[in-house]
Amino acid sequence: QKEVEQNSGPLSVPEGAIASLNCTYSDRVSQSFFWYRQYSGKSPELIMSIYSNGDKEDGRFTAQLNKASQYVSLLIRDSQPSDSATYLCAVAIQGAQKLVFGQGTRLTINP
Amino acid sequence: EAQVTQNPRYLITVTGKKLTVTCSQNMNHEYMSWYRQDPGLGLRQIYYSMNVEVTDKGDVPEGYKVSRKEKRNFPLILESPSPNQTSLYFCASSFDRGNSPLHFGNGTRLTVT
Repeated sequence: QKEVEQNSGPLSVPEGAIASLNCTYSDRVSQSFFWYRQYSGKSPELIMSIYSNGDKEDGRFTAQLNKASQYVSLLIRDSQPSDSATYLCAVAIQGAQKLVFGQGTRLTINP
Repeated sequence: EAQVTQNPRYLITVTGKKLTVTCSQNMNHEYMSWYRQDPGLGLRQIYYSMNVEVTDKGDVPEGYKVSRKEKRNFPLILESPSPNQTSLYFCASSFDRGNSPLHFGNGTRLTVT
């Protein structure tokens, strides 16, 4: 089982709709979770960090964390074409000196 | 401006010719790391450094070297590059090791022929 898993997509969502991106992880004691956005050929850019169970909202973005289910998600409301990118989930693995990244979900917002 | 600076952005070289990719951060971060990104394989960690003179292997260290003589700099060295090292490389730094978000450089696209 991979340490961090994401559906690679592509996920296609109409403009103005809600895009839902999911991530599962294997390490039960992970405490820190991050969502990055990456445009093609560019570097990953931090969108959200979440450390506690529940929802965390920042503008059009909401991160959701459920440690019991080992599940973290990202919702994008009122999706815009500029949200079209690959979204990377990253998890701090307990005892490891690194963030482990999922392979990313490619999201396309259709005008 | 807080940033991680990598150079060069693009590099084409030949097999066996030693090269260095530089990385510098101005945020006084203790933790620095190198990743490579390949289609279908995602981001994989090459080496990381917890502090000056403290480095350790990541998941794919073969063929690479690093050094951390100063807190701000963390160069990646390919002593004898091979075509399978053709990739997109990212340097990143964070306040501490893993629990803080990583700040990425702009990337270096390396082609080894």
